[in-house]
Amino acid sequence: EVQLVQSGAEVKKPGESLKISCKGSGYSFTSYWIGWVRQMPGKGLEWMGTIYPGDSDTRYSPSFQGQVTISADKSISTAYLQWSSLKASDTAMYYCVRRWTGLQSADYWGQGTLVTVSS
Amino acid sequence: SYELTQPPSVSVSPGQTARITCSGDALPKQYAYWYQQKPGQAPVLVIYKDSERPSGIPERFSGSSSGTTVTLTISGVQAEDEADYYCQSADSSDTYWVFGGGTKLTVL
Repeated sequence: EVQLVQSGAEVKKPGESLKISCKGSGYSFTSYWIGWVRQMPGKGLEWMGTIYPGDSDTRYSPSFQGQVTISADKSISTAYLQWSSLKASDTAMYYCVRRWTGLQSADYWGQGTLVTVSS
Repeated sequence: SYELTQPPSVSVSPGQTARITCSGDALPKQYAYWYQQKPGQAPVLVIYKDSERPSGIPERFSGSSSGTTVTLTISGVQAEDEADYYCQSADSSDTYWVFGGGTKLTVL
């Protein structure tokens, strides 16, 4: 069974750094793109970027380029989303998704990680 | 930047047909995908490649495409279909994804 299991909720202060994770199981982790999607409170879905764990090829949405870093450790089948300096506006639910092979679509979603940034 | 446009809300009575549209300039060249999201849950794919239905999705969900507009149709709407619906596609260069703003379906 394919699963994407994300790390738990985080509460951080502005200016702090953070790295959240997404562990894939039940499939060949290195053969599928993993993406990240943001959902701010009461708002819609926003695609942030994606990584191919097989060779670490990474693409970012223009809206998120330079704001976050996407990485992966294929030895432990885990993708990451990290911030070097959080802002209150980073408060949101973050989902990792697996890209359906050959399509520009997600076929599996993680359960989401809620990040709260507040002083 | 590329955008997909959806109506903010659609309301229908149980048993009626709900239609949710999504417009974008690249839709004639790129497939569209539809996700259903219920409160507190992760989204679920209900239509892929404009009109295909994943296994496990009820037959009352269908999709269609015409020019720069794609449409999600829910026939015989049930109370359990009340949710937010998002269209999603890729830009014309196949580089990045984009989501529509979402449509809240209310079952009266």
